[in-house]
Amino acid sequence: NAGVTQTPKFQVLKTGQSMTLQCAQDMNHEYMSWYRQDPGMGLRLIHYSVGAGITDQGEVPNGYNVSRSTTEDFPLRLLSAAPSQTSVYFCASFLDIWAAGTEAFFGQGTRLTVV
Amino acid sequence: DAKTTQPTSMDCAEGRAANLPCNHSTISGNEYVYWYRQIHSQGPQYIIHGLKNNETNEMASLIITEDRKSSTLILPHATLRDTAVYYCIVRVAAGANNLFFGTGTRLTVIP
Repeated sequence: NAGVTQTPKFQVLKTGQSMTLQCAQDMNHEYMSWYRQDPGMGLRLIHYSVGAGITDQGEVPNGYNVSRSTTEDFPLRLLSAAPSQTSVYFCASFLDIWAAGTEAFFGQGTRLTVV
Repeated sequence: DAKTTQPTSMDCAEGRAANLPCNHSTISGNEYVYWYRQIHSQGPQYIIHGLKNNETNEMASLIITEDRKSSTLILPHATLRDTAVYYCIVRVAAGANNLFFGTGTRLTVIP
């Protein structure tokens, strides 16, 4: 079990460029989510998915798109990168959000810098 | 989901117990208390969770007050590798779509 795998680990983009942050999990988890973490702050939810074909917005969705065509993958797309999107991005998955006491598994993060 | 209040930072001597408090005075009856930690910009790591009974696992113990308005995470013998930011989170189990991370408590274990 690799758990939750994020790629790339580091990325530098120029303002206006687009890119996709990859997230894959091999635990057959239904629920996946994307967070961003800015210096000195907690994690903020960007988008989440409760299963293949179903996505919804979180707290800070502007400038990001997601899709969930398979259970395993949940890519995050930056449409037109802006310096305000410089952050560390974390992907997480849960086995079952309906089950009591379900823990979340996090990837190791993608550190994105937009110049 | 109920909000939580944690101290910004704490120090603990290596080998001693680290007791990290969390206030969640508005917690509802169906909300669980979760603890996660984040070691130096790595992804957050699950530690423990509980509803109303005290819980213990290989990493830590969780003590929840009888009125459930506060809890304490206990690392029984802190090591340097326990230096991290610790997050206390309360959430409903069923159908929850988020983990609300605050700024947590930065625990520094001192040699």
